[in-house]
Amino acid sequence: DGGITQSPKYLFRKEGQNVTLSCEQNLNHDAMYWYRQDPGQGLRLIYYSQIVNDFQKGDIAEGYSVSREKKESFPLTVTSAQKNPTAFYLCASRTTGVRRTDTQYFGPGTRLTVL
Amino acid sequence: AQKITQTQPGMFVQEKEAVTLDCTYDTSDPSYGLFWYKQPSSGEMIFLIYQGSYDQQNATEGRYSLNFQKARKSANLVISASQLGDSAMYFCAMMYRDNYGQNFVFGPGTRLSVLP
Repeated sequence: DGGITQSPKYLFRKEGQNVTLSCEQNLNHDAMYWYRQDPGQGLRLIYYSQIVNDFQKGDIAEGYSVSREKKESFPLTVTSAQKNPTAFYLCASRTTGVRRTDTQYFGPGTRLTVL
Repeated sequence: AQKITQTQPGMFVQEKEAVTLDCTYDTSDPSYGLFWYKQPSSGEMIFLIYQGSYDQQNATEGRYSLNFQKARKSANLVISASQLGDSAMYFCAMMYRDNYGQNFVFGPGTRLSVLP
């Protein structure tokens, strides 16, 4: 089945540790996105990538890093520089074709808790 | 800058009745797309409906319809015949083109509760 997978579903981290969240898609989508969601709030863009080996900072990139070495994969690293990393993280992908109706497809999310 | 406003933090509706969730947007780009997503308590984001800025007719998808008023910059979601399973967070989002590619901005969401 085609879709987006994120792992792990739940992640616990000690303060000062870096952690990497996985995002994999087999939809052959060019564009991939990482969002952060805090309780009761909307989604805020962390990073996005339109093509392999290229990515752009979103609104809240500080304390995060990404890589896009393969079309299918867009891992997010939460570094120790992120002061308040406890949140729900969503990965999404979409085609960059001319059809503007192409929505984003979302993964199931990773819930990160800093202990 | 692009912005989405959803002024209703929470809404209640009786089962089988219709409900309208408000969304207003701000952009100077003449070409954009508007999306509505549903987020149940499980956290997954489910695409509901899309409206393009140049579309002449309001979008409809089953029980979902979009009341698009371009001059007022509003894109309200109408859910007809509400069901208990419609209880969830609902997000309005706008797709626009920036210097890099196509990007999205989301509103803060509306929590809908359907009462039996």
